[in-house]
Amino acid sequence: QVQLVQSGAEVKKPGASVKVSCKASGYTFTSYGISWVRQAPGQGLEWMGWISTYNGNTHYAQNLQGRVTMTTDTSTSTAYMELRSLRSDDTAVYYCARGTYYYDSSAEGDAFDIWGQGTMVTVSS
Amino acid sequence: SSELTQDPAVSVALGQTVRITCQGDSLRSYYASWYQQKPGQAPVLVIYGKNNRPSGIPDRFSGSRSGNTASLTITGAQAEDEADYYCNSRDSSGNHVVFGGGTKLTVL
Repeated sequence: QVQLVQSGAEVKKPGASVKVSCKASGYTFTSYGISWVRQAPGQGLEWMGWISTYNGNTHYAQNLQGRVTMTTDTSTSTAYMELRSLRSDDTAVYYCARGTYYYDSSAEGDAFDIWGQGTMVTVSS
Repeated sequence: SSELTQDPAVSVALGQTVRITCQGDSLRSYYASWYQQKPGQAPVLVIYGKNNRPSGIPDRFSGSRSGNTASLTITGAQAEDEADYYCNSRDSSGNHVVFGGGTKLTVL
C-alpha cells in the first residue's frame, strides 16, 4: 500500500544537527512532491518546506532558511530533512507528507494526502 | 503568526451539524485543504479542493469556500469525529504553504 515510513526518534544537544528520513513505497516517488511539517508539543502544525522529487527544487519556510536542507535519493525513494544549529524550541514531531497539486477554473491548491508516522526530535542539554 | 485564522475550539452535540471555518486573504485565490488529527496520530486529509473527499472519508464531511473563508462541515457529527482540525493553503505570495492554528472539536 501507499505509505511513508520515517526514521526513529532522535535526542540531540543544542547546536547539533539532525537528519530525518522518509521512505516512500507503493507509488511512483518522482510523481509527487514531499513537504515536511513539524508539531511542537501541544502546538499546531507548522509547514517547514517542500522538495520536488522530480528535479530537487526546494522551497523553505522563511523562519528556517539557512538552517534546513531537504534532499531526496530517487534510487531508494527516500526523502531527507536536515535541520542544523538545533535549539530547544526545535523539539517537535517531524512529519513528511506527500503533496498533490490540483487546480480548476476557480483556484488551485495543495493537498497532503499521505503522511509519515512522525519522528520525535528532542533537543535538550 | 498564521495567515490562516481558525477558531480555537468548537463543540457540537452528537448527531448535529457543525461548521469549522478558516479565514485568510490567500483563500480568495487558493483552495484550502482540511486535516483531522487525533491525539498521538499523524494528520489525515479529509477535504481538499472545491469539495473533494479522499477515499475512505465519510460523506458527512464536506467543504465549501466563499470569499476569504473556507469551511469544513460535518453533518451528523459522530463521537469519533472529536479531534483537532487544521486547514492549510498557500500564503499570500503563493510560494509557501501555511496552516491555520487548528480547531479543537468536542462532540458532546
